[in-house]
Amino acid sequence: SQELEQSPQSLIVQEGKNLTINCTSSKTLYGLYWYKQKYGEGLIFLMMLQKGGEEKSHEKITAKLDEKKQQSSLHITASQPSHAGIYLCGADLSGSARQLTFGSGTQLTVLP
Amino acid sequence: DTGVSQDPRHKITKRGQNVTFRCDPISEHNRLYWYRQTLGQGPEFLTYFQNEAQLEKSRLLSDRFSAERPKGSFSTLEIQRTEQGDSAMYLCASSLLKELFFGEGSRLTVL
Repeated sequence: SQELEQSPQSLIVQEGKNLTINCTSSKTLYGLYWYKQKYGEGLIFLMMLQKGGEEKSHEKITAKLDEKKQQSSLHITASQPSHAGIYLCGADLSGSARQLTFGSGTQLTVLP
Repeated sequence: DTGVSQDPRHKITKRGQNVTFRCDPISEHNRLYWYRQTLGQGPEFLTYFQNEAQLEKSRLLSDRFSAERPKGSFSTLEIQRTEQGDSAMYLCASSLLKELFFGEGSRLTVL
């Protein structure tokens, strides 16, 4: 969706390295969701951010929401091969959470 | 397994045939969503149910698509007179509040 841009489109890192994925909206963000997807499979919920400045962590993955910039970042510390996959951000652009607009995803490869 | 369940996982059909997908949401989740995902793209919203009421429907959804959620439990998505452009992964999600949990998807291939 052009309303939601993810960068980079793909990322190859060496195991142990840190990395950041960005998600920028052209509209006001009422909620921002991060999911992980393995090829050909469903989406695995990582976390949801709603308030400006909010930051959440799950294991080695941290996500932040910058409401003013209409942007969110996903940071992985000390990446592992198990982190490999497609990371998708989804945005609630209406406030109702009845439908999410998704970015095109970031393909992450972690080299052992 | 108490997650969102979708059936079938894979469906191959010939152009012009009808297909139906089923989604069983997480127990007690009153909200149910259908999305479609094509290769290399993020999921696109199709429709939203709250209990048995279909409250949102994408303008992208043609008249060949119909979704139901009788009794507010499981849901079905039917595609009539399939076209090759319908080939995609059809994803179902459910939620109680705002956190959406997705199923494994139903992959449709139209020959």
